[in-house]
Amino acid sequence: DAEITQSPRHKITETGRQVTLACHQTWNHNNMFWYRQDLGHGLRLIHYSYGVQDTNKGEVSDGYSVSRSNTEDLPLTLESAASSQTSVYFCASSEGGDTYEQYFGPGTRLTVT
Amino acid sequence: AQKITQTQPGMFVQEKEAVTLDCTYDTSDPSYGLFWYKQPSSGEMIFLIYQGSYDQQNATEGRYSLNFQKARKSANLVISASQLGDSAMYFCAMKGSNYKLTFGKGTLLTVNP
Repeated sequence: DAEITQSPRHKITETGRQVTLACHQTWNHNNMFWYRQDLGHGLRLIHYSYGVQDTNKGEVSDGYSVSRSNTEDLPLTLESAASSQTSVYFCASSEGGDTYEQYFGPGTRLTVT
Repeated sequence: AQKITQTQPGMFVQEKEAVTLDCTYDTSDPSYGLFWYKQPSSGEMIFLIYQGSYDQQNATEGRYSLNFQKARKSANLVISASQLGDSAMYFCAMKGSNYKLTFGKGTLLTVNP
């Protein structure tokens, strides 16, 4: 069965370190998204991609970057982790068009100390 | 810009009763989709139901129905015959022409036995 996976599921890191969160989907979807979830804010879009070599900034992109070298993967990198980036991170993918739901990964809980 | 508003931070309902979770939206896109997701305490995001802006009839999926009132820009979720397993956070979201999802802040539903 097709799926979307994230790794690691839990990560503790120190302020200033570079961290990469992995996202892998086997749906063969062109669209992929990264969100962060914080209490009182719901899910907010960090970065997204409509296909290979395409990346776009979302509403909370500062301090984050992504790259899309193939259809299946969209890794999220925190260039220099900050305590404000402690959050739960969700990756999602979807087909094109506004009628298609996004499929979400299980999430990664990141703690920056 | 798209905006989703969920005005009920928390709701309580008795088991077997129906409950309505409110969602209002704002967008300038002529075509858009409205989604509801469920997030149980385990953390995963579960797609529940979708309504297209041009759909004439309200969407239904089992015990879930979406009360879509386009003129009022509302897309309320109705859960009939509530079950204990319905206790979760519920998010309303909208997708416009750019395929991105904009989420509300969520409503925490508690089903009492």
